[in-house]
Amino acid sequence: AQSVTQPDIHITVSEGASLELRCNYSYGATPYLFWYVQSPGQGLQLLLKYFSGDTLVQGIKGFEAEFKRSQSSFNLRKPSVHWSDAAEYFCAVSDTGRRALTFGSGTRLQVQP
Amino acid sequence: DAGVTQSPTHLIKTRGQQVTLRCSPKSGHDTVSWYQQALGQGPQFIFQYYEEEERQRGNFPDRFSGHQFPNYSSELNVNALLLGDSALYLCASSFTGANTEAFFGQGTRLTVV
Repeated sequence: AQSVTQPDIHITVSEGASLELRCNYSYGATPYLFWYVQSPGQGLQLLLKYFSGDTLVQGIKGFEAEFKRSQSSFNLRKPSVHWSDAAEYFCAVSDTGRRALTFGSGTRLQVQP
Repeated sequence: DAGVTQSPTHLIKTRGQQVTLRCSPKSGHDTVSWYQQALGQGPQFIFQYYEEEERQRGNFPDRFSGHQFPNYSSELNVNALLLGDSALYLCASSFTGANTEAFFGQGTRLTVV
């Protein structure tokens, strides 16, 4: 069975600082990987996805993520955080693009002025 | 494009009652998935519907059932509600082709008292 681990429950960064959110997955074959963001009481918005090809993927809002097969990781990065980035971030894995997503438990990002 | 829409936004039910939640998929999408998100946790997959049939199911009891209509909209039914069913219920729609991605609605907040 596939699984996702987000080791950091809560991260606080200063506005303008760089950000890296960690995600490790467990899956036997090549996974489909996703990062979603959720504002309080809201649904999930897709930030970026990896299906195949270039292991560095660009997403919306200036986010990027790098797929590292050897480390079973798909970490999310942003060079300069804005106050509006404060939210909950979820990493997810699927065995195909159209089947069920398995989510991590999420990382709550707090941005200090 | 209205995106994925869910109704109602919030509702309160009494333990033992039954509830029906509704979802209209994004235009052009034919697959609907339902997720349960308990407070402070990542979403958990309930089931997925395609061509009016349940295609995949997560680890949820039979109290959770669903339906997909010819226009691709979907319902989630939960019988014999328990306090533990209190959660945000998210609907996601996608196109069944390969390399697709899921778009989420804003969710229905169910409180069981």
